[in-house]
Amino acid sequence: EAGVTQFPSHSVIEKGQTVTLRCDPISGHDNLYWYRRVMGKEIKFLLHFVKESKQDESGMPNNRFLAERTGGTYSTLKVQPAELEDSGVYFCASSPSGSLTDTQYFGPGTRLTVL
Amino acid sequence: GENVEQHPSTLSVQEGDSAVIKCTYSDSASNYFPWYKQELGKRPQLIIDIRSNVGEKKDQRIAVTLNKTAKHFSLHITETQPEDSAVYFCAARYNFNKFYFGSGTKLNVKP
Repeated sequence: EAGVTQFPSHSVIEKGQTVTLRCDPISGHDNLYWYRRVMGKEIKFLLHFVKESKQDESGMPNNRFLAERTGGTYSTLKVQPAELEDSGVYFCASSPSGSLTDTQYFGPGTRLTVL
Repeated sequence: GENVEQHPSTLSVQEGDSAVIKCTYSDSASNYFPWYKQELGKRPQLIIDIRSNVGEKKDQRIAVTLNKTAKHFSLHITETQPEDSAVYFCAARYNFNKFYFGSGTKLNVKP
């Protein structure tokens, strides 16, 4: 079974540009999460999808961030326009629904550098 | 909301020694506490977890303890090996499926 995949693995952009990150969860997992880790700090929750619906987006930093999960499969996270403080590693995680929701499976992350 | 603090930020031990990483949480409503291991260049992977109705759980050389009254939980690794070297994250689940993570502990096991 393929794990959670993320694309790209690295992205270097200039301040003001737009970047779109993609996450493909494990097939059949209804729950999809986005997290961000700024160097040396905690892995911070951004938002949670259940299928195509946003269950909780309270961690999204501001309206420059837009997450979508059309069709309830893969998800994208767009940052527009990017700022210096957006740099960090963006992780995606997925989990199945029902009684098995506890375990989250993480992707390898996308390292975003904004210059 | 929830706040998770993790200590120490770095930990260096000699191979064969034990390692202990501690986390505290703030909200008594949190009910599930996983630990993740992230090796260099790899994704975080779940290594052990504990629910709020259990005080201790063991899996070979790894154990987790939970003190609900004090709101803290700890990861214990015995007989450490060089392959245990990694960054370890604790987390607390609050409000259905919202997870709060600690800032990570970089464990270095010296051969």
